[in-house]
Parts: sequence; C-alpha cells; structure tokens
Amino acid sequence: DSGVTQTPKHLITATGQRVTLRCSPRSGDLSVYWYQQSLDQGLQFLIQYYNGEERAKGNILERFSAQQFPDLHSELNLSSLELGDSALYFCASSVVAGGRDTQYFGPGTRLTVL
Amino acid sequence: AQSVTQLDSQVPVFEEAPVELRCNYSSSVSVYLFWYVQYPNQGLQLLLKYLSGSTLVKGINGFEAEFNKSQTSFHLRKPSVHISDTAEYFCAVMNTGFQKLVFGTGTRLLVSP
Repeated sequence: DSGVTQTPKHLITATGQRVTLRCSPRSGDLSVYWYQQSLDQGLQFLIQYYNGEERAKGNILERFSAQQFPDLHSELNLSSLELGDSALYFCASSVVAGGRDTQYFGPGTRLTVL
Repeated sequence: AQSVTQLDSQVPVFEEAPVELRCNYSSSVSVYLFWYVQYPNQGLQLLLKYLSGSTLVKGINGFEAEFNKSQTSFHLRKPSVHISDTAEYFCAVMNTGFQKLVFGTGTRLLVSP
C-alpha cells in the first residue's frame, strides 16, 4: 500500500459525459501527479500540482482539467468524454517537487467510456 | 525531449533462472532513471532509481540495474526469479530539471515453474 488513495476504483460512463476522479496523496506529500495508461498511448504524464499550484503540464487534452485543493487532495475532471478516453488513470504523490523524490502511485481509477 | 525504449514486450523465463530486462533511453540533458513494477490490478511500485553516483543500483526484491551512460542503457537484472515476480516492468526517465516521468512501453515478465 503506497498510501495514495484514489476514488472511485472503477467508473463506467457514456460518451459526452463528464466525470471527476479524486486523489488523496500520502500524508505530508505536497506534490501530486496525474498519469494516463491506455493500450495505444501507454503511460503518459498529464499534469502536476505542487502545494495547490500547477507545476508542469504534459499531454493533457483541453477537455481535461485538474486542481489541487488546500487539503492537498486533487481532482481530475474529464469532460465531453470520448471512447478513446477509456484508460487507467493514476495519481502519484511526492514530498516536494524535486526529481530526486520518489513518486508513489495510487491503485488507479479505471475509466470505461461506452 | 526524453524517450525510453523497452525492446522486449514480453520475457518468458523459468523459475530460479536469471533475467535481464532491457531499457535504453534518449536525452540531450542529464536524467534520472527508474524502474517500476506493476502487478495485476495494482498501481506502480518503485523497484529502484538512479540519481547519481554508483552506476550499479540495488533495489527491492533482489533486483538491480546498471546505468551505462555511453550506451544510454539502464538494464534491470535479477539473478534468480520467482513466480511472484510475474508482472509488468516499466523503465522511466526524468529530466533532472523537471518532475515528469517518461515511461517506456513496458516489459511483461512471465515466470513459469
């Protein structure tokens, strides 16, 4: 158990809908990262937040957005969902924002878009 | 930009045999290197990481990896595998100036009795 929690574990929805994925980092971790794992794209970095501020952006679609709240939990919002958004979405956290810090991954949220 | 190549999508091996999972990376700047393992229906767990110093890195579960700058490689090895090592293994690289991990496509290690 990494100490990173993600809810829900599974999510099934229809095209065009909007969903919110939630992540609680390990106690004391200030930095949160979101990754997408899909069969065709593999594991891709989406976005990073550090202490409430956006720190780095990766291959995140404009239909996707994220935020980190004062209690340090983070939410990833996916809207106007398409079939291709079906994937496993991971959240990771680290103590600070330095590359030397280990990123601890949560168990993921499996999103299925029908 | 960085990239990672894991040439073997699947590596079958018998229990107690040695194994090497290959990883090559490409980067024009200094990088940190990582190996993560993903067991079925679970998240990723860090096996080991190279930040600096000794090029031979020891990790959890008896795994080790060697950083070779001239060959831009970071191969993962274990002298004797167990059935429980069956999993997907991901090599990843990170630019020392940024925090995003760039992953390879993964290698599925299949250990049979």
